[in-house]
Amino acid sequence: KQEVTQIPAALSVPEGENLVLNCSFTDSAIYNLQWFRQDPGKGLTSLLLIQSSQREQTSGRLNASLDKSSGRSTLYIAASQPGDSATYLCAVRGNQGGKLIFGQGTELSVKP
Amino acid sequence: NAGVMQNPRHLVRRRGQEARLRCSPMKGHSHVYWYRQLPEEGLKFMVYLQKENIIDESGMPKERFSAEFPKEGPSILRIQQVVRGDSAAYFCASSRDSFAYGYTFGSGTRLTVV
Repeated sequence: KQEVTQIPAALSVPEGENLVLNCSFTDSAIYNLQWFRQDPGKGLTSLLLIQSSQREQTSGRLNASLDKSSGRSTLYIAASQPGDSATYLCAVRGNQGGKLIFGQGTELSVKP
Repeated sequence: NAGVMQNPRHLVRRRGQEARLRCSPMKGHSHVYWYRQLPEEGLKFMVYLQKENIIDESGMPKERFSAEFPKEGPSILRIQQVVRGDSAAYFCASSRDSFAYGYTFGSGTRLTVV
């Protein structure tokens, strides 16, 4: 059974810092991995999607890497801003397709 | 493209009533997924549907919960005889046919049972 773990559960940094959020999964037989952002009381916004054959994806100040064999992904946020404050969720899709399995999320607070 | 549309945004039901949550997928998306987010908990998969078919309902509670995605119209998640423990945010997501595409989520329906 696939399990997804995100570390740390919460993170507080001053504005301008570069930071890394971690995601690990127990079953390496994944189809792809997706990072989302969730603001309080809101829905999920997709940030990056990495296929199992890819090593990384970039969008603006965000860079996500994937090491499928070791069951790890990282989300790197460069030059953090207060507007980046949100909960970041990692989710994996198994080789059978269908459902995403989510981690518990990392709650990020960027202080001005 | 309006994205994934969920309604209502907020729903209040008394214990024992029925709750109906609606989800219209993005245009061109034929796969629909329902997730539940309990307070202070993560997102838990409930059910995966394609038009007129339930593909995976391994996350659905065995009683009181049902889901459908008819040939015409939105997907419906139905909760009968609601209890306080059903209070949660219910999210719908959709995707295209190929699993190579990611999910797009709706804004959710926040159900409160009083």
